[in-house]
Amino acid sequence: AQSVTQLGSHVSVSEGALVLLRCNYSSSVPPYLFWYVQYPNQGLQLLLKYTSAATLVKGINGFEAEFKKSETSFHLTKPSAHMSDAAEYFCAVDSGGGADGLTFGKGTHLIIQP
Amino acid sequence: KAGVTQTPRYLIKTRGQQVTLSCSPISGHRSVSWYQQTPGQGLQFLFEYFSETQRNKGNFPGRFSGRQFSNSRSEMNVSTLELGDSALYLCASSQEPGNTIYFGEGSWLTVV
Repeated sequence: AQSVTQLGSHVSVSEGALVLLRCNYSSSVPPYLFWYVQYPNQGLQLLLKYTSAATLVKGINGFEAEFKKSETSFHLTKPSAHMSDAAEYFCAVDSGGGADGLTFGKGTHLIIQP
Repeated sequence: KAGVTQTPRYLIKTRGQQVTLSCSPISGHRSVSWYQQTPGQGLQFLFEYFSETQRNKGNFPGRFSGRQFSNSRSEMNVSTLELGDSALYLCASSQEPGNTIYFGEGSWLTVV
């Protein structure tokens, strides 16, 4: 079975500060890992994905994530937060070739302080 | 290219009724999956369809069903609605199973 843990249901940072959203996963096989963002009253938008190529993955809107197998982590970072980054962020794992769907973490609400 | 389209966006139903939600995938995408999002349970996988066949189903009761048509469009149905079925229902599509999935904006269902 696969699972995802996102540390911190709410993270607050100042505008211009580093954003760090934590994600740890468990999977019995090498996984595919994803970060999605959800703005209020909208669906999920793909930020980035890891598919066993480079361990440092660059996504949209200046976000990136690093896959660390030894730590079973896939933390999301952005060097400088913008007000427009305020949203809910979800980490997800797929270790079943899509057959079992994505398993999502509970989400982290990112708050940007002016 | 148009994204995943879901209809209706918002609806209110009464307990005991049934509801059908519709999803049109991205053009060229043949796999469609459905997810339920609630504040308590988060995002949960409902089922996935490919070539008009259900590939797998999440841990949901038989009241939740779906189907896929030959043009890859999909519908999901919930019968005998319960208050706990109130949720955002998200449809996602991918070119084929196992490829990256892209989500629609969802259908907000409120059961009263």
